[in-house]
Amino acid sequence: AQSVTQLDSHVSVSEGTPVLLRCNYSSSYSPSLFWYVQHPNKGLQLLLKYTSAATLVKGINGFEAEFKKSETSFHLTKPSAHMSDAAEYFCVVSVKTSYDKVIFGPGTSLSVIP
Amino acid sequence: EAQVTQNPRYLITVTGKKLTVTCSQNMNHEYMSWYRQDPGLGLRQIYYSMNVEVTDKGDVPEGYKVSRKEKRNFPLILESPSPNQTSLYFCASSLSWGLAGAASTDTQYFGPGTRLTVL
Repeated sequence: AQSVTQLDSHVSVSEGTPVLLRCNYSSSYSPSLFWYVQHPNKGLQLLLKYTSAATLVKGINGFEAEFKKSETSFHLTKPSAHMSDAAEYFCVVSVKTSYDKVIFGPGTSLSVIP
Repeated sequence: EAQVTQNPRYLITVTGKKLTVTCSQNMNHEYMSWYRQDPGLGLRQIYYSMNVEVTDKGDVPEGYKVSRKEKRNFPLILESPSPNQTSLYFCASSLSWGLAGAASTDTQYFGPGTRLTVL
């Protein structure tokens, strides 16, 4: 079975400090991996995606994520948090089994303290 | 402007009163999907469509219907809404789905959401 775990439901950081949002997945197939961000009262927007090319993926707004197959992880990082980064973040796995499947993690709420 | 639109954005209704939430995309995308978002559960896929007249169930299809008569539109129908369908609903589209044996790498574009309350 496929699944996505986001280890922290809520993360709080100070402005200017690093951000780490953790994601682990389980899949019997080679997945594509995505991070989406949802700002309050908005739809979801793609931050970055892994598609079996480079394992270190750079996205928008200074975010990046590293795919580690041995650890089945795809953690999202940013060197320096900005107030505008406060949002909900979703790790997403896309697999093709007997039917097409997209699996969302439960989300991590990021707060940025001035 | 490339976008996915949903209507209505907010809806309060009563148990058993049929409703339709519309979804339209102007990007000529083949793949469209409906999700519901509930606190602590992330987004769960209700139905998806790989092209016109091709639809299939996602993880939580009970109580919902969809149709895909045109490429751009993918309405979500609740024939007899119940309070447990109170949720935030998102429509999404992407250019295509994965090649045989491979997961899709296409970005999904999301609508702004429809907040539904069933009393």
